[in-house]
Amino acid sequence: EAGVTQFPSHSVIEKGQTVTLRCDPISGHDNLYWYRRVMGKEIKFLLHFVKESKQDESGMPNNRFLAERTGGTYSTLKVQPAELEDSGVYFCASSQGVGFTAKLFFGSGTQLSVL
Amino acid sequence: TQLLEQSPQFLSIQEGENLTVYCNSSSVFSSLQWYRQEPGEGPVLLVTVVTGGEVKKLKRLTFQFGDARKDSSLHITAAQPGDTGLYLCAGPNAGGTSYGKLTFGQGTILTVHP
Repeated sequence: EAGVTQFPSHSVIEKGQTVTLRCDPISGHDNLYWYRRVMGKEIKFLLHFVKESKQDESGMPNNRFLAERTGGTYSTLKVQPAELEDSGVYFCASSQGVGFTAKLFFGSGTQLSVL
Repeated sequence: TQLLEQSPQFLSIQEGENLTVYCNSSSVFSSLQWYRQEPGEGPVLLVTVVTGGEVKKLKRLTFQFGDARKDSSLHITAAQPGDTGLYLCAGPNAGGTSYGKLTFGQGTILTVHP
């Protein structure tokens, strides 16, 4: 079974540019999450999709971040325009359920560096 | 805001030694999870503890959930170099709609020297 796949693994861009991160969840997982870890801080929740619907986007930092999951399959997270403080590792995770026994499977992350 | 504080942040030990990592909060969590993350990879779930006072064992790893469900510990017996990695505790956010919205601790970086 393929795991959660994220593209690209690394991205280096200049301040003001646009970057789009992609996440392919495990097939059949309706729930998809985006998390971010900035240097020196803990991993923080960004948002949660159930199929193509945004269930919870309370962790999105500001309106420069746009997440989509058209068709309920893969998801993209676009940062436009990128700022220096957006640098960090962006993780995607997926799960089948959301209850007590829900197990999150994480991708390897995208290391984003904004210069 | 629920916070999870892990200690120590760094742990460097020799092979064969025992160690304990702590995860504490002032808030009650319905459950707590422990993850292990290796460089270049995402966190991998090790265990979920659900009941106050619960103890779970995974080979040489013992996980405990505090009676009041505000803290947890991870104890490793006879550590091996393969145990090296980042250990994270996480719990579902009380304000979330699912158990997938997690609050993470900052992590403990464990290095086991041969």
